Amino acid sequence: GESVGLHLPTLSVQEGDNSIINCAYSNSASDYFIWYKQESGKGPQFIIDIRSNMDKRQGQRVTVLLNKTVKHLSLQIAATQPGDSAVYFCAESTGNQFYFGTGTSLTVIP
Amino acid sequence: GAVVSQHPSWVICKSGTSVKIECRSLDFQATTMFWYRQFPKQSLMLMATSNEGSKATYEQGVEKDKFLINHASLTLSTLTVTSAHPEDSSFYICSATMGIRGEKLFFGSGTQLSVL
Repeated sequence: GESVGLHLPTLSVQEGDNSIINCAYSNSASDYFIWYKQESGKGPQFIIDIRSNMDKRQGQRVTVLLNKTVKHLSLQIAATQPGDSAVYFCAESTGNQFYFGTGTSLTVIP
Repeated sequence: GAVVSQHPSWVICKSGTSVKIECRSLDFQATTMFWYRQFPKQSLMLMATSNEGSKATYEQGVEKDKFLINHASLTLSTLTVTSAHPEDSSFYICSATMGIRGEKLFFGSGTQLSVL
């Protein structure tokens, strides 16, 4: 998988509000997508995934939306909590290769 | 979800020493393992892709002799930072894939390496 070391964009939301984190992917052949959460000093944690034959998938407080037309992926977090503060990044896969987005740093304001 | 164990979580060493980091898939057989390096406030940088029983594939700019990768079994891969120097200080993370097509990528908890 490829990834690029870049400084992260940031997003600040009030506690209780909904958060939307966006990700643009590059390979139209990618058929599997994952969202990860990474807290400071820890490894990335799997949140939710979606295959290309779907356009929406819901988990607990999280929803992933996939728009293959514009190659766009989003993660929606409902009722954002302070514990949701972390870096979120998406990954796209065509099989055994994974390509990562730069990530978004989410800060939840109490 | 599946568990990937990475050890140690933090290591401090003197310049010139070698450090070995282990990555284990605890409840599944990993077809492929990946090693990354991450600097503060930055995204993951892939260092190498490791398949069990074969040589690792290194990304451009990553020194093979500096970062030795051994993938001896379907559940264990090791990264050895040889003759570590202060510029090697970083957060190193492994990941492993499971499933028929190698999907479901899971990460280890990371290793913070500090070279004095």
